[in-house]
Amino acid sequence: QVQLQESGPGLVKPSQTLSLTCTVSGGSISSGGYYWSWIRQHPGKGLEWIGYIYYSGSTYYNPSLKSRVTISVDTSKNQFSLKLSSVTAADTAVYYCARGAGTVDYWGQGTLVTVSS
Amino acid sequence: QSALTQPASVSGSPGQSITISCTGTSSDVGGYNYVSWYQQHPGKAPKLMIYEVSNRPSGVPDRFSGSKSGNTASLTISGLQAEDEADYYCSSYTSSSTLVVFGGGTKLTVL
Repeated sequence: QVQLQESGPGLVKPSQTLSLTCTVSGGSISSGGYYWSWIRQHPGKGLEWIGYIYYSGSTYYNPSLKSRVTISVDTSKNQFSLKLSSVTAADTAVYYCARGAGTVDYWGQGTLVTVSS
Repeated sequence: QSALTQPASVSGSPGQSITISCTGTSSDVGGYNYVSWYQQHPGKAPKLMIYEVSNRPSGVPDRFSGSKSGNTASLTISGLQAEDEADYYCSSYTSSSTLVVFGGGTKLTVL
């Protein structure tokens, strides 16, 4: 059973960089065959796909966030990470890491990140 | 505004059937057989219920079914149960640079 767990600060100041890590257990990122995604959900709103990374390091980002997003992978730790720069209050959301892109079959529990001074 | 259009809410009584629609365009729902449906209970992560239009992951009851006609996908839940009350989201690949788009979500109330 694949499990994903997000970790990182729950509070980030405006203009700073949001950094989250997703630790994968029960499956290996480096085995290939899957994209590893970050998805967010603004409070009381719908889902927004942020981007994905493949074990090889290839990435794809939502154009609406592309200028501020970096997703990286550390296969030795079976982790992948999200960095979102120059955050504003509009980036306050629950951030999920997940396996897959068009079809997401495993999700982390989600972590609320609040942008506030 | 979400790329895929879903009704804001639907409701039904236990034992009844309901259908949730997800309308897109020929660039997403109509152009790909990669429509997924997710169930989300309050405070929980979404759960995959249907993938590739009509396939059920292991463990999902066969009361849940998916279909597609043209640019509209549908999720049908038959034999409604109290635990089906949740938010439901559709998603699809898209030929636009966004790659993946979601619907705005539908709140299902079991009366």
